[in-house]
Amino acid sequence: GAGVSQSPSNKVTEKGKDVELRCDPISGHTALYWYRQSLGQGLEFLIYFQGNSAPDKSGLPSDRFSAERTGGSVSTLTIQRTQQEDSAVYLCASSQRGTGAVSVKNIQYFGAGTRLSVL
Amino acid sequence: AQTVTQSQPEMSVQEAETVTLSCTYDTSENNYYLFWYKQPPSRQMILVIRQEAYKQQNATENRFSVNFQKAAKSFSLKISDSQLGDTAMYFCAFVGSGYALNFGKGTSLLVTP
Repeated sequence: GAGVSQSPSNKVTEKGKDVELRCDPISGHTALYWYRQSLGQGLEFLIYFQGNSAPDKSGLPSDRFSAERTGGSVSTLTIQRTQQEDSAVYLCASSQRGTGAVSVKNIQYFGAGTRLSVL
Repeated sequence: AQTVTQSQPEMSVQEAETVTLSCTYDTSENNYYLFWYKQPPSRQMILVIRQEAYKQQNATENRFSVNFQKAAKSFSLKISDSQLGDTAMYFCAFVGSGYALNFGKGTSLLVTP
């Protein structure tokens, strides 16, 4: 597609349930990123995928959070046993590449996010 | 660690006027990119303008321009001829040798008729 696509747009869930958020990056982009946007914390980096390399999970806030990227394209962010503090907008971005010299190929393009509400 | 500071939580400007949004950052790196992203109520984070640190010339994109002061670590955004559609949150962001964007807290801009 032309841009980064995220689904669902909005998700309401009950505390303790698991949720899956999906991101479809721009075709040809090898790097994919997840960020969380919450009122108290602003925009936080969660996880980064570059091609077939092991992902950088250093930003994941707890072991309830996990993510995978299948076939180097679509990514799924999973939150297990959701808590109210998980309520936020989850943004996905992609770029042509993620590492190497600073260049236009590192520029990140974002999807419209998934708003997660945990009741 | 890099930090990005936006000291203006909210700003307001009348249509057709000019407004400047401030951003300062802290880094020990010499080459990096700075960005302004716009986030309207639709939540879509839209890239407005970018500046590469080694380029001395300030970037411009139509009505949007930046004042990049590398020594002062300052990166302000000027919006000329403001339009109602410019109403949005504006985020200043930094990326250096790493890959994760470091964002400021954002400035909420309201353009009034």
